[in-house]
Amino acid sequence: GEDVEQSLFLSVREGDSSVINCTYTDSSSTYLYWYKQEPGAGLQLLTYIFSNMDMKQDQRLTVLLNKKDKHLSLRIADTQTGDSAIYFCAERDSGNTPLVFGKGTRLSVIA
Amino acid sequence: GAVVSQHPSRVICKSGTSVKIECRSLDFQATTMFWYRQFPKQSLMLMATSNEGSKATYEQGVEKDKFLINHASLTLSTLTVTSAHPEDSSFYICSAERGGSTDTQYFGPGTRLTVL
Repeated sequence: GEDVEQSLFLSVREGDSSVINCTYTDSSSTYLYWYKQEPGAGLQLLTYIFSNMDMKQDQRLTVLLNKKDKHLSLRIADTQTGDSAIYFCAERDSGNTPLVFGKGTRLSVIA
Repeated sequence: GAVVSQHPSRVICKSGTSVKIECRSLDFQATTMFWYRQFPKQSLMLMATSNEGSKATYEQGVEKDKFLINHASLTLSTLTVTSAHPEDSSFYICSAERGGSTDTQYFGPGTRLTVL
C-alpha cells in the first residue's frame, strides 16, 4: 500500500533554517501537502505542490519535490519559536480521495 | 476562506453513552468530508469518507455501526460514537473539500473525546 515516511524529530536554533524531509512510495501521487499541527489543535494547511512542479516558495516556506526519488522537503527560513509544532507530509492521487499522512515530524525551536 | 469548524471541541462522557460530533464547512460547500482519528503522538488515521447524500465509506477495521456518519447537507457532517467505551477516547478530526481535482482538504480544529 501507499506509505509516507518522515523523520520523527528535528531540533533547530531560532533564526536558522529548518528542513523537514519526507519520502513516499506511491508513484501516482499527484498532490503533496504539508500540514502543521500545534498542541491540541487541528491541522493547518501550510502549502501544497503538484507533482508536475519542482519547487514552490511562499514567504518563509520552500517546498522541493524530487519526483524521481519520491522525495519532498519543506524548508522554513529564519525559524521562529512559533514554528515549533508537528509537521505532517501527506499525499493523494486525485481530488476527493483521502490523504495518506506521514507520522509527522516534531520540530523544536531552541531560543 | 475555507474554514471548517467542529463542535464540541472537547467532550467527556460516561461509558455506554453516545456522543455526536459535528463538522461544518463555514464558507464553502463540501461535497466530500473525511473523518480521522488521532492517538497521542501519532499520525492521523482515516476512519471514513463521507459524500453528501450517500452512505459513508469506512476504512477497514472501522466499525460502521459504532461510528455512525451522516452527511445530510453540503455543509454538515456528523460523527456519532455509539455506546462509547474508554478505548474510544481519542482526538477526532474532520476535513472537508469543495470537490474537483485540484482542491485541497481543510481541517477542523478537532474534538477531544474522553470516555470515563
